[in-house]
Amino acid sequence: DSGVTQTPKHLITATGQRVTLRCSPRSGDLSVYWYQQSLDQGLQFLIQYYNGEERAKGNILERFSAQQFPDLHSELNLSSLELGDSALYFCASSVGTAEDEPQHFGDGTRLSIL
Amino acid sequence: AQKITQTQPGMFVQEKEAVTLDCTYDTSDPSYGLFWYKQPSSGEMIFLIYQGSYDQQNATEGRYSLNFQKARKSANLVISASQLGDSAMYFCAMREVNTGGFKTIFGAGTRLFVKA
Repeated sequence: DSGVTQTPKHLITATGQRVTLRCSPRSGDLSVYWYQQSLDQGLQFLIQYYNGEERAKGNILERFSAQQFPDLHSELNLSSLELGDSALYFCASSVGTAEDEPQHFGDGTRLSIL
Repeated sequence: AQKITQTQPGMFVQEKEAVTLDCTYDTSDPSYGLFWYKQPSSGEMIFLIYQGSYDQQNATEGRYSLNFQKARKSANLVISASQLGDSAMYFCAMREVNTGGFKTIFGAGTRLFVKA
């Protein structure tokens, strides 16, 4: 158990809809990261937050947004969903922003778009 | 731009033998970190080992060691005494330091099959 909690574990919805994925980091971790894992794109970094502030941005679509709340949990919002958004979405956390800190991953949310 | 290359889509190894999973990277940043993660069929991502760009010695964690060759930009994972439970997908990842934060990029992964 990594200590990172992601909900829900599975999500099935339709094109055009909006969903929110939730992540609670490990106790004491201030950084939260979001990743998308799909068969064709592999594991893609989306965005990082540190103590409520956005710190790094990767290949995140404009239809996607994220935030980190004062209690350090984070949400990833996906809107105007398309079939290609079907993927496994991981949240990870680390203590801070040092380059040598490993990221600890949650079990992921599997999103299926019908 | 950052790049991580794992050239072995799949590897087979006999139980109790050692196996090396290849990883090469490309970066212009002098400061970076290299990581290996394991993803079993159950889907979770498990951190295995870390190597910093300024580390003089190769990292080791139990049966895992990292063969770091900075000049060749390679960071191969060596698993000694393979076990059936080592069958999984293995990802090499690199983190560069940007201002205030950093991006992490992952390779395409190598699927390891351990044979009894």
